Amino acid sequence: QMQLVQSGAEVKKPGASVKVSCKASGYPFTGHYIHWVRQAPGQGLEWMGWINSNSGDTKYAKMFQDRVTMTRDTSISTAYMELTRLTSEDTAVYYCARAVATGVGISFRLRRFDPWGQGALVIVSS
Amino acid sequence: QSALTQPRSVSGSLGQSVTISCTGTSSDVGGYNCVSWYQQHPGTAPKLVIYDVSERPSGVPDRFSGSKSGNTASLLISGLQAEDESDYYCCSYAGSYTFPSVFGTGTSVTVL
Repeated sequence: QMQLVQSGAEVKKPGASVKVSCKASGYPFTGHYIHWVRQAPGQGLEWMGWINSNSGDTKYAKMFQDRVTMTRDTSISTAYMELTRLTSEDTAVYYCARAVATGVGISFRLRRFDPWGQGALVIVSS
Repeated sequence: QSALTQPRSVSGSLGQSVTISCTGTSSDVGGYNCVSWYQQHPGTAPKLVIYDVSERPSGVPDRFSGSKSGNTASLLISGLQAEDESDYYCCSYAGSYTFPSVFGTGTSVTVL
């Protein structure tokens, strides 16, 4: 079955960087974009950006644009999200999710996120 | 893009029905039939329960149903079960290939 398995929890000091991995199985990795979403403790879902698993093209939400880098390694069906210059406000669970989309150009539609990875807790603390 | 508006919490007794609303604009919810709903139990990842406004993935009980009217989508949970106690998030396509999605603020469902 389709599955995304993420790397484990991390504890980082302020100013450090973190890199979370997301390994896909059960579907053609390059056929779907991977999106990253984070959730701070007790808060809602916050979209961070996406990577085209085939071409490597990326797009980031404005608030993360200068601190986040999303990459992928198609040989091992794995996507990565690296966040730099961490602060305590980056303490959150980071999720990857497979995007299911149809159409191109004006008819493009992102229909759903399925499945999601199990999440990777990142704690930023001095 | 602003987050879609959901009620903070709703509650219902076992066996009853609850409806969660998700209000956006004509640029997202109202403009496309691409609303999805996710159930999230504490400490777990979101799980898809409805997509394309009213489609149910295989394995999701038929007591979950979705609809849309204008700029507001709704998730109906009929015949509430104890295991339905969870957080629920809506999500809509927002008309842009580059910034495609907007999430709702989330609703906590309590089963009394």
